[in-house]
Amino acid sequence: TQLLEQSPQFLSIQEGENLTVYCNSSSVFSSLQWYRQEPGEGPVLLVTVVTGGEVKKLKRLTFQFGDARKDSSLHITAAQPGDTGLYLCAGLYSSASKIIFGSGTRLSIRP
Amino acid sequence: DAGITQSPRHKVTETGTPVTLRCHQTENHRYMYWYRQDPGHGLRLIHYSYGVKDTDKGEVSDGYSVSRSKTEDFLLTLESATSSQTSVYFCAITPTGSGNGYTFGSGTRLTVV
Repeated sequence: TQLLEQSPQFLSIQEGENLTVYCNSSSVFSSLQWYRQEPGEGPVLLVTVVTGGEVKKLKRLTFQFGDARKDSSLHITAAQPGDTGLYLCAGLYSSASKIIFGSGTRLSIRP
Repeated sequence: DAGITQSPRHKVTETGTPVTLRCHQTENHRYMYWYRQDPGHGLRLIHYSYGVKDTDKGEVSDGYSVSRSKTEDFLLTLESATSSQTSVYFCAITPTGSGNGYTFGSGTRLTVV
C-alpha cells in the first residue's frame, strides 16, 4: 500500500508563532504538491516542488522537497489567523502518472 | 470566476436510491477527476476521465459509475446509494495531467440515510 503520512494531524498555535508540518513516504515521487483547504471549499494548490532539495517560498510559507524526493515540509513563519485550514500534500508517481494525497494537517491559529 | 462548479452542493438521499452528481467546467481541460474525502482517509480517487467518453477507475470505484459525453461535464452516479457512500465529493480538473496540480470544485456533501 502506498502511503503518504502527514504530521501532526492537528496543530493549534498562537498567532505570531512559527510552525512546521511534515509529509513523509517510503516511496519516491517525481513531484509533490501542497494544497490548503478551507471549510466548505475544495483544496487550493499552493505549490509544486519537483527537484530533490528544492525550496520554494510563498510569502511566509516555505516548502522543501527532500533530497531523496520521499518527503517534504511546510514551514510557516509568524502564523496568522488567515493561515487556518487543512493542509494537504500530494505525491505524484511518474511511472503511472498517479497521485496520492496525505490525510492532512488541520491547522488552527489563535488570535 | 470559478471555472469549475459542482451540483448539488448538498444532498440527502435514502439507501438504495440512485444519485447523480454533476461537475461542470469552463476551462476546456482534458482531465477530470472525482474524489471522495472522508476523515482519516484524505482524498481518494473514484474515477477519472482523460477525454470525452474516455474514463478509468480509481482506487475506490466500486458502487460508482461515471460518464463524460462532452468536455465540460463529468457525471458521477451512485447506482444504489449506501450509507458507506456518505461523504464529501470533489471534482477536480487539470489541463495536462496530475503533475500540473488540480483545480478543485467546492464539493458536494452527500448524506445517505
